[in-house]
Amino acid sequence: NAGVTQTPKFQVLKTGQSMTLQCAQDMNHNSMYWYRQDPGMGLRLIYYSASEGTTDKGEVPNGYNVSRLNKREFSLRLESAAPSQTSVYFCASTSGRNEQFFGPGTRLTVL
Amino acid sequence: QKEVEQNSGPLSVPEGAIASLNCTYSDRGSQSFFWYRQYSGKSPELIMFIYSNGDKEDGRFTAQLNKASQYVSLLIRDSQPSDSATYLCAVGARYNFNKFYFGSGTKLNVKP
Repeated sequence: NAGVTQTPKFQVLKTGQSMTLQCAQDMNHNSMYWYRQDPGMGLRLIYYSASEGTTDKGEVPNGYNVSRLNKREFSLRLESAAPSQTSVYFCASTSGRNEQFFGPGTRLTVL
Repeated sequence: QKEVEQNSGPLSVPEGAIASLNCTYSDRGSQSFFWYRQYSGKSPELIMFIYSNGDKEDGRFTAQLNKASQYVSLLIRDSQPSDSATYLCAVGARYNFNKFYFGSGTKLNVKP
């Protein structure tokens, strides 16, 4: 079991560029999440998907879009990157006991 | 007001001591509570979860929940240098079992 995987691990973008962060889980979990983590801010929820075919906004959705491609995969897209989106992005999935399992993270810098 | 509040620390304890980490939450109706450990540069990993008032023990870790005071704590007995990390408190949203709120974390340093 790989658990939760994310690609890429690191990315540098210029302001205005777009990119998609990929996430996959092999634990057959229904719920998947995208968080961002900034120094002193903890984890903030961007979007989540309670099940295949559904997505909902979290605390900080502006500037992001998501796609729940199937039960395994949940992608996060930045259409026009801004320096304020420089952060570490974590994907997670949740077991039936509400335990969240996190991917290794993507470290994104927007210049 | 933040949903979940934690003292950012750092909290420094000597090896072998008890480390006490605290967390308060704003929604009195919250039902699920979690502690995650995050080593520097790594992703969070679940240590404990607790749903009922009182104490829950797992090895050297004890989670304590007091819903009346809206307070969750994590005790680490016989602290080891390998326990040095940031500890994140998370609370499940009252009406949405799929949503969680995280505190900003408390950094723990265990000194040999």
